[in-house]
Amino acid sequence: KAGVTQTPRYLIKTRGQQVTLSCSPISGHRSVSWYQQTPGQGLQFLFEYFSETQRNKGNFPGRFSGRQFSNSRSEMNVSTLELGDSALYLCASSFRLRTANTGELFFGEGSRLTVL
Amino acid sequence: KQEVTQIPAALSVPEGENLVLNCSFTDSAIYNLQWFRQDPGKGLTSLLLIQSSQREQTSGRLNASLDKSSGRSTLYIAASQPGDSATYLCAQTSGSRLTFGEGTQLTVNP
Repeated sequence: KAGVTQTPRYLIKTRGQQVTLSCSPISGHRSVSWYQQTPGQGLQFLFEYFSETQRNKGNFPGRFSGRQFSNSRSEMNVSTLELGDSALYLCASSFRLRTANTGELFFGEGSRLTVL
Repeated sequence: KQEVTQIPAALSVPEGENLVLNCSFTDSAIYNLQWFRQDPGKGLTSLLLIQSSQREQTSGRLNASLDKSSGRSTLYIAASQPGDSATYLCAQTSGSRLTFGEGTQLTVNP
């Protein structure tokens, strides 16, 4: 059974550009969550999608957005990139109940974004 | 605000030693507690998930316990090996998000 797949694994952008990251969850998982990991802030929750709807959102500016497709694949987008957006972006999938996410989360290898 | 604290921040032990990693959380309305391992530059590997109705979970040399009343979880690693060297993270789930601790960086010396 394939794990969570994230693409691209590495990318370099310059300030002001935008970036789109992709995440394919484990087959049968309908919940996809995104996290940002930086040395200074650790792992921080960005947002969760379930059944193509954003269910929860972390404390990030509107430049960070996402979406989920009918096949549960998810993308996140960061517009007007800033130096501080350099981070490892991790995607997690889980078999979520409609009422709450009580299931085990499985993470991908991440997309490492460097903003110059 | 939910907070998760892990102690110690770093730990270095000789091979074969049994060790305990600690995790404290502030949210009593916890759904579950999950322990992860992260190798440098890699994603997170799930080790153990403890549901809020459970007290502990075991997998091989790993045992994790959960005490909701005191807001604590411990990860016990038996007979540590150099391959166990990694950063260990605990995370609590309340609703649909995980709140992570800062992690414990473990080094097991041959």
